[in-house]
Amino acid sequence: GQQLNQSPQSMFIQEGEDVSMNCTSSSIFNTWLWYKQEPGEGPVLLIALYKAGELTSNGRLTAQFGITRKDSFLNISASIPSDVGIYFCAGQPKGGSEKLVFGKGTKLTVNP
Amino acid sequence: EAQVTQNPRYLITVTGKKLTVTCSQNMNHEYMSWYRQDPGLGLRQIYYSMNVEVTDKGDVPEGYKVSRKEKRNFPLILESPSPNQTSLYFCASSIRWAGWGNTEAFFGQGTRLTVV
Repeated sequence: GQQLNQSPQSMFIQEGEDVSMNCTSSSIFNTWLWYKQEPGEGPVLLIALYKAGELTSNGRLTAQFGITRKDSFLNISASIPSDVGIYFCAGQPKGGSEKLVFGKGTKLTVNP
Repeated sequence: EAQVTQNPRYLITVTGKKLTVTCSQNMNHEYMSWYRQDPGLGLRQIYYSMNVEVTDKGDVPEGYKVSRKEKRNFPLILESPSPNQTSLYFCASSIRWAGWGNTEAFFGQGTRLTVV
């Protein structure tokens, strides 16, 4: 089945630094979604992307839907301690079943 | 407020004792699903439902049952829980667009289940 390769698995950064993470697949995706999960909570949707090449921002977060439709990245600018959490990419493959496919997550730690 | 509500949040039970985790959404979403989350394995789909009375297996359905009698509710049933079902469970719902599939999934807060 389709798989999403999310990298890096974990990141340790200093407050104020910018962060970049990405997801890639061998299959074409119709939709890319980015979620954040804090300890003890469910994933919360950050950004949804629907068109190849689309670049969308949500505050300090920016995500792009890759032109090839096989990848997406998420950038966080000027990180703050509350950015700590696990960030997941997810997507709906083109022509597949209707379920979402999830990456395994990027664990972000921000040192004050 | 739009939300997906799961109950209970925490549950400790014994092997073989049937249990149900409830899930309810107030967004009139057609698509609902259950996931389990385990360290190193990410989110894995257990069952999903595309509409009332329409359910299907996800990636890890063994040992679980679901039902969808009403649009808003999608309970997860463990008829005979075993220790390997100890996990963090999430219910999610999303809009289903014809010809496009389901899109933005909204998650509940999770149910941490321990089977001893």
